[in-house]
Amino acid sequence: DIQMTQSPSTLSASVGDRVTITCRASQSISTWLAWYQQKPGKAPKLLMYKASSLENGVPSKFSGSGSGTQFTLTINSLQPDDFATYYCQQYNSYPYTFGQGTKLEIK
Amino acid sequence: EVQLVESGGGLVQPGGSLRLSCAASGFTVSSNYMSWVRQAPGKGLEWVSILYSGGTTYYADSVRGRFTISRDNSKNTLYLQMNNLRAEDTAVYFCARDQSYSSAWHFWGQGTLVTVSS
Repeated sequence: DIQMTQSPSTLSASVGDRVTITCRASQSISTWLAWYQQKPGKAPKLLMYKASSLENGVPSKFSGSGSGTQFTLTINSLQPDDFATYYCQQYNSYPYTFGQGTKLEIK
Repeated sequence: EVQLVESGGGLVQPGGSLRLSCAASGFTVSSNYMSWVRQAPGKGLEWVSILYSGGTTYYADSVRGRFTISRDNSKNTLYLQMNNLRAEDTAVYFCARDQSYSSAWHFWGQGTLVTVSS
């Protein structure tokens, strides 16, 4: 199975900050990586697919990069609505696997 | 508009069975890859199973042999039959759909809670 490791697990930031979340795959997944945002009690919401493609309707303050085993999600100009948990997920091979999540908290 | 609505969750004893449904609207279930993803209370996301448009299925090791994914084209509904349930199957179960150009999950239902407890 491909292990996905996110860092950090928790990230404290202020409104207006720019933050970066890292995701590492235990083996190459090319660019078959997605990023999701999840708020308490809600379903995940797709932000990025194929590592760097922005989902329709998602603001361009979100960006993704990487290939192979190293990926990043960057969020510019944090707003109160951005404070949530973020997950990376590989869909290169089964079983599809997620990172453990990064909780973005207000400092 | 694409909509996914799960139902069928509830409290079940260990060893029991439950069938989850995911009613779809705005698209045809049989034309897309459909998945189930679960989330144990306070934990992260875990992929459970996928059903291809052509009928191929895949399962996580943790549920293979106990869970069965299927669909009813006439009802445009996805199912997850869960047998021999264990305490560790307790979770919110989401159904999700891909997009024609991407195998990521672009659409999600709101989830249904399954609690396995005596």
